[in-house]
Parts: sequence; C-alpha cells; structure tokens
Amino acid sequence: GAGVSQSPSNKVTEKGKDVELRCDPISGHTALYWYRQSLGQGLEFLIYFQGNSAPDKSGLPSDRFSAERTGGSVSTLTIQRTQQEDSAVYLCASSIWGAQYFGPGTRLLVL
Amino acid sequence: QKEVEQNSGPLSVPEGAIASLNCTYSDRGSQSFFWYRQYSGKSPELIMFIYSNGDKEDGRFTAQLNKASQYVSLLIRDSQPSDSATYLCALYGQNFVFGPGTRLSVLP
Repeated sequence: GAGVSQSPSNKVTEKGKDVELRCDPISGHTALYWYRQSLGQGLEFLIYFQGNSAPDKSGLPSDRFSAERTGGSVSTLTIQRTQQEDSAVYLCASSIWGAQYFGPGTRLLVL
Repeated sequence: QKEVEQNSGPLSVPEGAIASLNCTYSDRGSQSFFWYRQYSGKSPELIMFIYSNGDKEDGRFTAQLNKASQYVSLLIRDSQPSDSATYLCALYGQNFVFGPGTRLSVLP
C-alpha cells in the first residue's frame, strides 16, 4: 500500500519568507509526528497529533512554527519568517500501535 | 540521564561478522521498543520491534530486550557492507522517544 508522502521534496526559500510543508499519512494511521533533522544530527521532535486530541507542541522551537492536521489526515507544517537556521530535513511519520513509518522528508534550504 | 542512550560510534565490523548495537533507557514504563535503520540522506526505516523480554529474530536481525536492566540490543549476523547505516533505537511509553543513533560501518 501507499506509504507516507511529503511535499515538496525540496524547497529553497529566502530568509524572511513563509513556507508550508505537507504530509500525507498512511490511511488509517491515527498518529502523526513531525521531526527536524539537521545534517549529521539526530531526530528533533517538533509536534505530535493523536486522533482528535490536542496536539503535543512541546518540540516546536519558536512561535514561528505551527502545524495543523485537517480531518485527522493531511498535516501542514508552517514556518513563518524563515531563518537560515531553519535549514534542515523535515520528516513526517504516521503511526499506529506505536510503530512509526516515515515519509521521504522535505529538504528545506533558507538562503 | 538522557531518556535513550546509544553509543554514537562509528562501530566498525568486518564483513561476515556479528554487529552488536546497544541501547539503554531510563523510563521503566516503556512498553514497546523499535529499531530503525537510516541510510545517509534517507529517512529512517523500521526494521524490528519488540515488546516482550527475550529475543526476537527476523532473518539476520535479532532484537534482545531486558526490561529489568532497561536494555535493548540489535544483533546483525553475517554483516554486509549494505548494512552500513545509522541505527536508531526508539521506545514508546508515555511518549515516543528516539535515541541519537549508532553509526555502523561494515568493512568489505
């Protein structure tokens, strides 16, 4: 079956611009996670959605970052007024019964 | 103490040898344990999960869990150069936590 998809695969933007990253989870998966991974570094948790519960936003690094999940399915991560330090790979994972399945990621470069 | 600890490596083993990757954790309430493999430039891929104490085998991979010692390991038998990657330990208890990963290099 179809896995997790993310778009765009690559995004180059200028400092100060807003960007939106999209995640389509595996159908039927109730949980969705966003992570950030800088080059050579580990996974940095950003935000977690579980069903209709309030999201766990504890990993968002600043108020420039926000995310929503519409209809319990597609999620959008928005970064406002991007900074060069936001450059990283943004990974989405959907989950059921604990195991997480990752999308291919969006590689964001802020110039 | 960090929630999940792994030796960052690199762990180098010769082709055909057994690679042993270790992970310790602090949350005794953790219920599920996962091993992910991440090739350079790619996203993590789930390779094994284990819930109960003891060993779980899948092909060349064996996951070992010891909840009393708060320890989970992954053994890779007959290591191949294609196994060279970063291996991430993860656990699920109150929330999902990833370790920092161990870089494995299998030398031909």
